[in-house]
Amino acid sequence: GAGVSQSPSNKVTEKGKDVELRCDPISGHTALYWYRQSLGQGLEFLIYFQGNSAPDKSGLPSDRFSAERTGGSVSTLTIQRTQQEDSAVYLCASSLSIQGAFAPLHFGNGTRLTVT
Amino acid sequence: AQRVTQPEKLLSVFKGAPVELKCNYSYSGSPELFWYVQYSRQRLQLLLRHISRESIKGFTADLNKGETSFHLKKPFAQEEDSAMYYCALSGNTPLVFGKGTRLSVIA
Repeated sequence: GAGVSQSPSNKVTEKGKDVELRCDPISGHTALYWYRQSLGQGLEFLIYFQGNSAPDKSGLPSDRFSAERTGGSVSTLTIQRTQQEDSAVYLCASSLSIQGAFAPLHFGNGTRLTVT
Repeated sequence: AQRVTQPEKLLSVFKGAPVELKCNYSYSGSPELFWYVQYSRQRLQLLLRHISRESIKGFTADLNKGETSFHLKKPFAQEEDSAMYYCALSGNTPLVFGKGTRLSVIA
């Protein structure tokens, strides 16, 4: 079956512009996560959604970052007024539950964002 | 707070040599530990999890609660093991990852 799908795969934008990154999770997965992967920083948690519960936004680095998950499926991560330090690979993952050894995360290929 | 530490950014070993990728964690409760791997041009994927006590691609990892460690080991490294390895902790918050160790196996 299809895995987690992210689009676009690459995005180059000018500083100050807004960008939207999209994630299609695996069908039936109730949990969806966004992580940011940058050199030397590993994977930085941004936000997660679990079913109809309020999302955990504790990892969002600033109020320029926001995310939505419509209908419990597709998610969009929006970065407003992009800065050069936002340049990174943004990874989406989904799982059958939010934590636990029986719920491994399935990752997408990521969106590489470059802010010029 | 949950924290995962991987002290080595890069580890180079010769083919056939033993490998140990270190991981230490900080968590007051009972943790679930994982190793994820990212091969070149592939997506990040689960390698193994401590609760399964399994061996995947010759790798094993034992949870040592006394030392709060979950080191990844393989007795004989292969070239195809070259990749980025991330240790991860699941406690009472979403999965927390270490900064990763790049393993390079030299022929």
